[in-house]
Amino acid sequence: GIQVEQSPPDLILQEGANSTLRCNFSDSVNNLQWFHQNPWGQLINLFYIPSGTKQNGRLSATTVATERYSLLYISSSQTTDSGVYFCAVDDFNKFYFGSGTKLNVKP
Amino acid sequence: NAGVTQTPKFQVLKTGQSMTLQCAQDMNHNSMYWYRQDPGMGLRLIYYSASEGTTDKGEVPNGYNVSRLNKREFSLRLESAAPSQTSVYFCASRRASEVAFFGQGTRLTVV
Repeated sequence: GIQVEQSPPDLILQEGANSTLRCNFSDSVNNLQWFHQNPWGQLINLFYIPSGTKQNGRLSATTVATERYSLLYISSSQTTDSGVYFCAVDDFNKFYFGSGTKLNVKP
Repeated sequence: NAGVTQTPKFQVLKTGQSMTLQCAQDMNHNSMYWYRQDPGMGLRLIYYSASEGTTDKGEVPNGYNVSRLNKREFSLRLESAAPSQTSVYFCASRRASEVAFFGQGTRLTVV
């Protein structure tokens, strides 16, 4: 199956700082999604972004499918951004997750 | 909107007991998935169903069986629970290669 690698594994930020999370994948994909898992364990859709750039408020994402990576940008971070960020890609019907980036935003 | 509903939310089993985790979606999605998440790790695919009547193995299928009862429902069965199956289980659904939606998870402990 497709290998998905995320970096960094852990990230500590001061409130108000910006950050970039990276997702590399080993093969061509049909779909890429970014999720936020909040401290209660709920998985929340952030972006569906197989290619190109999208923005939603303080978050934006870019996927360069030809180079097999995606980036998630968080600007002006807030304590509510804390949690684990996952990217997931699909290989036809199978849907594979990376191991995540654990973000801790301190007040 | 209910989205993806999992039951139960919590369960404690003794080693060797059996149980079925239920998942239902109301979005008319063709594809449904079962994942497990172990502490500090990402989600690993157990089984998936691309459409009603079909099921296929994922990355970690051993010890599990699934049933796609109809388009809405996809259940996961543990025939003889083992401590290694202690985990949080997530069900998901989507139209093929589109946005996936997840349930709230089932926290299972096997003692």
